Amino acid sequence: DIQMTQSPFTLSASVGDTVTITCRASQSFSNWLAWYQQKPGKAPKLLIYKASGLKSGVPSRFSGSGSGTEFTLTISSLQPDDFATYYCQQYNSYPWTFGQGTKVEIK
Amino acid sequence: EEQLVESGGGLVQPGGSLRLSCAASGFTFSSYEMNWVRQAPGRGLEWVAYISTSGSTIFYADSVKGRFTISRDNAKNSVFLQMDSLRAEDTAVYYCARDSGSYYFDFWGQGTLVTVSS
Repeated sequence: DIQMTQSPFTLSASVGDTVTITCRASQSFSNWLAWYQQKPGKAPKLLIYKASGLKSGVPSRFSGSGSGTEFTLTISSLQPDDFATYYCQQYNSYPWTFGQGTKVEIK
Repeated sequence: EEQLVESGGGLVQPGGSLRLSCAASGFTFSSYEMNWVRQAPGRGLEWVAYISTSGSTIFYADSVKGRFTISRDNAKNSVFLQMDSLRAEDTAVYYCARDSGSYYFDFWGQGTLVTVSS
C-alpha cells in the first residue's frame, strides 16, 4: 500500500497569509493525487485533482503541484472560509489512501 | 441539484450487522462508479469499498474484506453497504462518495454514523 504523510499536522495562520501543506508518498507516482477540504461535521469537498487540476467552482487561491513522492497544496491569501482540515489522497494504485490531514487554524 | 443521502446508521453490538443505503439524485447515477469512505471519530479518512457502474467490478479495503459487501441498484439510484461481523474499530461516519471515473471522489454525501458497542 502507498502511505501518504502530510505535514504539518496543524498550521496556525492569519487571514491574508499564504500557506503550504505538503503530502509525501511512500512510493513514487506521477500525478494521481487529489486534495480535499473538510469542515467540522461536514463531508469532505474535492478541491484539486491530478495534482494540479482545480475543480470547477473552487477559488483560484487554491493551487496544487508536485509529482513523484512530494506534492503540495498552496492557499494564497487565506480567507476566513478556508479554516478547515485538508486531506491528500493518492489514486495511483489500489487501495486508495489518504494522508492523516492538516488542520489550518486561525492564529 | 446533485445529492447523495446516506441512511441506515445506528448503534449495533459487536458481531452484529447493519446495512447502509445511499440514495442518489440530480445526476445519472448509472453512469458513475461509487465508493464508501469512512471516518472514525476524530480521525482521518479511510476508503472502504468501490463498485463499478454495472457492479461487475468491486474492490475492498483489507480491513473490511470478507465482512462488508457493496452493491448497487441502478433502477433505484442507490448504492448499499452490508456490514457483517462488526467490530468496535468499525465505529465511524460512513460517507457515500461518487467516483470521478479515475478513483478520486468528486462528490460526497453527508454521512451516516455507525457505532459498534455493547
